[in-house]
Amino acid sequence: AQRVTQPEKLLSVFKGAPVELKCNYSYSGSPELFWYVQYSRQRLQLLLRHISRESIKGFTADLNKGETSFHLKKPFAQEEDSAMYYCALNTGFQKLVFGTGTRLLVSP
Amino acid sequence: DAGVIQSPRHEVTEMGQEVTLRCKPISGHDYLFWYRQTMMRGLELLIYFNNNVPIDDSGMPEDRFSAKMPNASFSTLKIQPSEPRDSAVYFCASSLTGGGISYEQYFGPGTRLTVT
Repeated sequence: AQRVTQPEKLLSVFKGAPVELKCNYSYSGSPELFWYVQYSRQRLQLLLRHISRESIKGFTADLNKGETSFHLKKPFAQEEDSAMYYCALNTGFQKLVFGTGTRLLVSP
Repeated sequence: DAGVIQSPRHEVTEMGQEVTLRCKPISGHDYLFWYRQTMMRGLELLIYFNNNVPIDDSGMPEDRFSAKMPNASFSTLKIQPSEPRDSAVYFCASSLTGGGISYEQYFGPGTRLTVT
């Protein structure tokens, strides 16, 4: 089955602490994974994709095929990082399967 | 570009009534997606179109749900009759295609539907 699992509904950290939002996937083919973010009162938007191997707003995510994971990491969280984060898997023909999302709350 | 446009932004209706949600994709985009967001299930793909043709409607929960895309700049999602469990935020998104890779999906602001 094609599935994306985000085990944490809520992740609460203090400003300056490291952040890791977990994402595991189940897919028989070669995975193409994304992180989307929804800030308060804003539209859901792409944060990063694994094929780009880029760092956006200090966030990085590495695809680990052995562990079927694509965890999102940031070494020092900022208050403006507070948002809802969704991990997504492309299952073919532009079709994305999203996880249930993790709400990140960064406190001062 | 105003991005993906959805209307209405909020809809409150009574059980049994017909509800129609509307979406205007970004000009030039050839993929259009309808999603439903709930606290319990997160973001679920309901149906998507390519060049106005429905490609996959396996996410449509029941026959009460239907979607159309009569032209490249307009799509509707209809629920008839509506039920309280249909209460959710419905998102429309659009994207380009090409090169065998997934392009970014651009999301609209969503329609918050409440069925009483």
